[in-house]
Amino acid sequence: DAKTTQPNSMESNEEEPVHLPCNHSTISGTDYIHWYRQLPSQGPEYVIHGLTSNVNNRMASLAIAEDRKSSTLILHRATLRDAAVYYCILRDSGNTGKLIFGQGTTLQVKP
Amino acid sequence: DGGITQSPKYLFRKEGQNVTLSCEQNLNHDAMYWYRQDPGQGLRLIYYSQIVNDFQKGDIAEGYSVSREKKESFPLTVTSAQKNPTAFYLCASSITWGIGNQPQHFGDGTRLSIL
Repeated sequence: DAKTTQPNSMESNEEEPVHLPCNHSTISGTDYIHWYRQLPSQGPEYVIHGLTSNVNNRMASLAIAEDRKSSTLILHRATLRDAAVYYCILRDSGNTGKLIFGQGTTLQVKP
Repeated sequence: DGGITQSPKYLFRKEGQNVTLSCEQNLNHDAMYWYRQDPGQGLRLIYYSQIVNDFQKGDIAEGYSVSREKKESFPLTVTSAQKNPTAFYLCASSITWGIGNQPQHFGDGTRLSIL
């Protein structure tokens, strides 16, 4: 299974942009890149996903490197509610559809 | 609103006892999943179901059992054979299985502890 590498923690100031990096050098051609976030004692929440092109939605943007070996989740204006653990996941499009979770990045947002 | 409901939120198990965690979804999704999360760790797949009346073992199925008799329900039983059951259990669903561009929707979890 292809794996991802993320920094353990990051800090941001409120209302500033946040760039959360993820390395996935062993990604296969059919793996989608998914991002989820998780607040304490809650289930993960889907944020965004992409395959090759950059993606935008109401929550965030996803920038994918041309060689697909890395990606960056962009929160345009961090709020206190964005403080969470962010997981970068390669969606196994093979035989289970399972999400392969790593350790994630704990994002702290300072007022 | 559509979503996934897990119950109970907290559950305590005595030694040698089986306990069942409930997971119900009203999203009309075919695929459902059970994950286990230990403190400070990511999620690990226990069982998954591609469609009603079908289920498959995930990475850590030993000591667990499931059933999928109805599309909307996917209960997980933690048996006495599971020697370290204390964890946060999460149920998820997706429209279908094995499609890389479909997100999974999660419930709010059940926290299981040993008495």
